[in-house]
Amino acid sequence: AQSVTQPDIHITVSEGASLELRCNYSYGATPYLFWYVQSPGQGLQLLLKYFSGDTLVQGIKGFEAEFKRSQSSFNLRKPSVHWSDAAEYFCAVGDITPSGGSNYKLTFGKGTLLTVNP
Amino acid sequence: DADVTQTPRNRITKTGKRIMLECSQTKGHDRMYWYRQDPGLGLRLIYYSFDVKDINKGEISDGYSVSRQAQAKFSLSLESAIPNQTALYFCATSSQGRTQYFGPGTRLLVL
Repeated sequence: AQSVTQPDIHITVSEGASLELRCNYSYGATPYLFWYVQSPGQGLQLLLKYFSGDTLVQGIKGFEAEFKRSQSSFNLRKPSVHWSDAAEYFCAVGDITPSGGSNYKLTFGKGTLLTVNP
Repeated sequence: DADVTQTPRNRITKTGKRIMLECSQTKGHDRMYWYRQDPGLGLRLIYYSFDVKDINKGEISDGYSVSRQAQAKFSLSLESAIPNQTALYFCATSSQGRTQYFGPGTRLLVL
């Protein structure tokens, strides 16, 4: 069965510092991979996704992620963190359902809470 | 207007009560999903539906049921609520199995 591991439960960075959030997945085939962000009291917003093609994916708010098949990783990065980036971040893998095709369901990691110090 | 709406946004109920959480979307998507979020556990899939006549159990369907009343509406019911169903519930939609878009969530407290 597919699984997603986010090794860091909580990360604290200073505003302006660089950020890398780790995500490792377990999936037999080429995965669909996602990063979502959840601000306090809010729903989930998609930051970026990887389905195929270029392994370096650009997203919203200045985030990017790199798919590394050899390491089963999809780490999220940002060169300079802003105070408004404080939130919880979720990595997810799309699991193709028995009906096949492009139908999938998401398996989420447990999340990484990001705190930004001024 | 929001593309994916959930009602109610907050709900307090008592053990044994039946409650329904509703989800509506204006995105025209055919796929709809229900997840629950618990602190430290991430989101887990309860049920999903790829069209009006298609309902599938997810990872944690016990104690829940769903109804897909129309392409745009997907309801989640707790037939007899229990305290460990206290959680944040999210509805999501997608089209052609691509990106899932999430609603704002319903915070449920079962006393």
